[in-house]
Amino acid sequence: ETGVTQTPRHLVMGMTNKKSLKCEQHLGHNAMYWYKQSAKKPLELMFVYSLEERVENNSVPSRFSPECPNSSHLFLHLHTLQPEDSALYLCASSQVSTSGGREQFFGPGTRLTVL
Amino acid sequence: ILNVEQSPQSLHVQEGDSTNFTCSFPSSNFYALHWYRWETAKSPEALFVMTLNGDEKKKGRISATLNTKEGYSYLYIKGSQPEDSATYLCALWRSYNTDKLIFGTGTRLQVFP
Repeated sequence: ETGVTQTPRHLVMGMTNKKSLKCEQHLGHNAMYWYKQSAKKPLELMFVYSLEERVENNSVPSRFSPECPNSSHLFLHLHTLQPEDSALYLCASSQVSTSGGREQFFGPGTRLTVL
Repeated sequence: ILNVEQSPQSLHVQEGDSTNFTCSFPSSNFYALHWYRWETAKSPEALFVMTLNGDEKKKGRISATLNTKEGYSYLYIKGSQPEDSATYLCALWRSYNTDKLIFGTGTRLQVFP
């Protein structure tokens, strides 16, 4: 157990559906992240929230919409996705300070399939 | 485009063999290098955070070295065991004022009994 949980673990959705992925961290960290893992590609950073403010949006299409209501919770709202959005979506958290460089703690991921 | 490269892509070794793999990164704008271990159906787990040129870190049978001037890090596993089977990821942190890690594609290690 890493202290970061994600639900659901698996999700199948149609292109017209709206769904949300949820991430919760129990580590008291001040930064949370969404990553996308597609087959044979590196982990790609999608969004970063630091102190509940979005500080990074890595050119992600608007059909992905993040929300960070507090430092422990992070959501990824999905709507009108495409089949190529099928991937493993990982959430992570870390304690960011002026010294930086801290390791990230990952959740188990949500395996998303878009039909 | 900033690339973090890992080699080899995959590796099969016998139990008891020692092995090593490489992470290469642009040597400019370096702040820290992370190594993660990712077992199938589990979460990636941090192994090392390395910041100084010449750093060497060790955790049990696993160790890592860092050369920031030439832009590479090696991960060594001594006496591989089947439970070491996983994908090993490295990730570059370029600056203290960014929260962004840039990951390599990983080295997939399979250790056969």
